[in-house]
Amino acid sequence: ETGVTQTPRHLVMGMTNKKSLKCEQHLGHNAMYWYKQSAKKPLELMFVYNFKEQTENNSVPSRFSPECPNSSHLFLHLHTLQPEDSALYLCASSQAPLSSYEQYFGPGTRLTVT
Amino acid sequence: DAKTTQPTSMDCAEGRAANLPCNHSTISGNEYVYWYRQIHSQGPQYIIHGLKNNETNEMASLIITEDRKSSTLILPHATLRDTAVYYCIVRPQTYNNNDMRFGAGTRLTVKP
Repeated sequence: ETGVTQTPRHLVMGMTNKKSLKCEQHLGHNAMYWYKQSAKKPLELMFVYNFKEQTENNSVPSRFSPECPNSSHLFLHLHTLQPEDSALYLCASSQAPLSSYEQYFGPGTRLTVT
Repeated sequence: DAKTTQPTSMDCAEGRAANLPCNHSTISGNEYVYWYRQIHSQGPQYIIHGLKNNETNEMASLIITEDRKSSTLILPHATLRDTAVYYCIVRPQTYNNNDMRFGAGTRLTVKP
């Protein structure tokens, strides 16, 4: 238990569906992250939020839309995904703003796009 | 460009020390060395980090060479639950630059 929770843990969706992934951290951190981990590939950073402001968008397609309503919650809204978007989506948090603070990861959401 | 190079895989006997090497020959003066691990189908877990001094915590020890071009993560008494992919990452300490790049890591298998 890292103090970062993600729901749902597993999600199967069609290409025309709209769904959202939720992340919550109970660590009092001010930075939150979305990562994508495809099969046999390294983790890829998608988005970074510092103090609820998006500070990084790592060339992510617009069919992925993040939302950070407060420092404890982070969402990833999904729409019109492609089968190649099937992956493990990981949320993480850390103290801000120094980048030297370690990141704490949630268990991930295993997404399958059919 | 990969900032670190690690062996693809390693084996270790249960109860023995696991020594995981990492080369980071282009490391800059303000870059830290971080280690994370990822047990199958779980999120990565922070292990330890350091700048130039050796570091130790309840999980592991980190030995950084004097020229900082390489480091070794040591798990003193490996258990079966230490089987995981171990990532060595270098990143600078800056404000609001949270970019952390994971490579392929080393797959450590602890055997009975």
